[in-house]
Amino acid sequence: DGGITQSPKYLFRKEGQNVTLSCEQNLNHDAMYWYRQDPGQGLRLIYYSQIVNDFQKGDIAEGYSVSREKKESFPLTVTSAQKNPTAFYLCACSKRSEQFFGPGTRLTVL
Amino acid sequence: AQTVTQSQPEMSVQEAETVTLSCTYDTSESDYYLFWYKQPPSRQMILVIRQEAYKQQNATENRFSVNFQKAAKSFSLKISDSQLGDAAMYFCAYRPNYGGSQGNLIFGKGTKLSVKP
Repeated sequence: DGGITQSPKYLFRKEGQNVTLSCEQNLNHDAMYWYRQDPGQGLRLIYYSQIVNDFQKGDIAEGYSVSREKKESFPLTVTSAQKNPTAFYLCACSKRSEQFFGPGTRLTVL
Repeated sequence: AQTVTQSQPEMSVQEAETVTLSCTYDTSESDYYLFWYKQPPSRQMILVIRQEAYKQQNATENRFSVNFQKAAKSFSLKISDSQLGDAAMYFCAYRPNYGGSQGNLIFGKGTKLSVKP
């Protein structure tokens, strides 16, 4: 089955630690995205990538980093510079107009 | 700046009744897409319906339909014969189309829909 997956589903981090969230897709889509969702907010764009080896900052990129070494993969690293990282993180991919979303990762900082 | 506004943080509907969720947007572009996404308690984002701005005909998908008013920049979602499984957060989203190159999705803050049995 074609789809987009994220792992892990739940992630706990101690303050001061970096952590990497995984996003993989086998839909052969060129573009991939990372969003952050907080209570009472819509989805806010962190980073996006239109092609391999290229990515752009979104609206709230500070404290995050990404890589796009393969078409299928777009991992997100939440660094210790992110002051309030506890949130729900969604990855998406697209080929034409609509985006397809993964199931999300809930990150909690202890 | 392009923005999407959902003015109803919460809505409630009786099972089998009809409900309309509101969405307005602000843009200077003429070519774009509009979407409604559903996010149930599982938090999986599911595409409900899509509208292309250059199409005057309102999109429909089974019990879901939209009222697209381009001049008014309004894009409401109507759910007919509401079912318990329709209970979810609903997000309106806008995406500009720059001559075939897609812009990024811009989301509203969502409307939480409750369905009463």
